[in-house]
Amino acid sequence: DVKVTQSSRYLVKRTGEKVFLECVQDMDHENMFWYRQDPGLGLRLIYFSYDVKMKEKGDIPEGYSVSREKKERFSLILESASTNQTSMYLCASEGYNQPQHFGDGTRLSIL
Amino acid sequence: TQLLEQSPQFLSIQEGENLTVYCNSSSVFSSLQWYRQEPGEGPVLLVTVVTGGEVKKLKRLTFQFGDARKDSSLHITAAQPGDTGLYLCAGGSFNFGNEKLTFGTGTRLTIIP
Repeated sequence: DVKVTQSSRYLVKRTGEKVFLECVQDMDHENMFWYRQDPGLGLRLIYFSYDVKMKEKGDIPEGYSVSREKKERFSLILESASTNQTSMYLCASEGYNQPQHFGDGTRLSIL
Repeated sequence: TQLLEQSPQFLSIQEGENLTVYCNSSSVFSSLQWYRQEPGEGPVLLVTVVTGGEVKKLKRLTFQFGDARKDSSLHITAAQPGDTGLYLCAGGSFNFGNEKLTFGTGTRLTIIP
């Protein structure tokens, strides 16, 4: 079974802090994704990566950056956290011709 | 930006009743996926449909992809409390050989015992 692990289930940070959200997958998948989920808006794609050191902007990249130094790990970075970035963050990985598998999410609160 | 609207946004029905959830867009998709998400967990894939007009059944759940591949529906027969959850549709579109998903707004379903 595919396992996508997000480092924190809950996280509370302050406005202006630099925040790191980590995601690790154990199936040697090439593709990894970061989404945020807000009520009534579904999942919105922030960034994705098709290979190590590669990254592509999704639909809402502003205020975020990502890092993929190793195939199994995809990090989401909030450069200077703001209250409008309070949300549920979901990581997913995807192998060739396979569906996306999601982690259990990180609920991030920015105070 | 492609948009997928789901309706209704919330649905609360009695156990044993039937229901239909809709997923609509003005864009054409190469595939349409349905996910269910339970509290504290990530979405889990239920089904993928890829051909216009395609119908797939998963026990009491019936999924249909519209003929024009712009819309989809999920019908649940004789709903049970275990069907409670957030249902998300997602349309696939290809971007330089990789399929990108656009998620719908979600339908939160509650089945009352």
